[in-house]
Amino acid sequence: QVQLVQSGAEVKKPGSSVKVSCKASGGTFSSYGISWVRQAPGQGLEWMGGIIPIFGTANYAQKFQGRVTITADESTSTAYMELSSLRSEDTAVYYCTRVVVLWFGETPVEYYFDYWGQGTLVTVSS
Amino acid sequence: DVVMTQSPDSLAVSLGERATINCKSSQSLLYSSNNKSYLAWYQQKPGQPPKLLIYWASTRESGVPDRFSGSGSGTDFTLTISSLQAEDVAVYYCQQYYNTPFTFGPGTKVDIK
Repeated sequence: QVQLVQSGAEVKKPGSSVKVSCKASGGTFSSYGISWVRQAPGQGLEWMGGIIPIFGTANYAQKFQGRVTITADESTSTAYMELSSLRSEDTAVYYCTRVVVLWFGETPVEYYFDYWGQGTLVTVSS
Repeated sequence: DVVMTQSPDSLAVSLGERATINCKSSQSLLYSSNNKSYLAWYQQKPGQPPKLLIYWASTRESGVPDRFSGSGSGTDFTLTISSLQAEDVAVYYCQQYYNTPFTFGPGTKVDIK
């Protein structure tokens, strides 16, 4: 069965960076997209950006442009999300999700999120 | 960005009764070329990641009990739990995937009355 296993909890200082990993198993990594969604304590869900590994180019929410980098390593079926210039408001659980993708010619189109990782708590505190 | 709203914020329903959650988008999620609405519903239980329930506004994900159903098109959508069970206590989110940034509704908390 499909599993997305994320790296463990992190505690970071303001101004530093964090890199969270997401290892996929049980499916064809390159046939899907991976998105990152975060959830601040007691709050809702916020899409940060995503990548289609076989396509290579990441797409980011405007809010995180310049601070987030999403990459994927097809050889290890692992995606990464790095967030820099951390501030206290970045304290949240970060989820990776598998995104259903259909191809129209050479153009991929992303759809809904069918599997989610277990989440990684990132705490930003001085 | 497409803004998603949900109502109510929370509701309490007796076991076996119907629960109805509404979701509205700031623009149509209906793609004319395939007549599909790009709307999904997720269930999140405390301490767990969200779980996909419904996509294309009304298609139930494999393994999801048939008491969960989705309806609607364009800008107005509904998630119905036909007979609430104790294990359905959760927060429910709608999400649009019509375009990026993908956006979620604020969530509706469902409890037992």
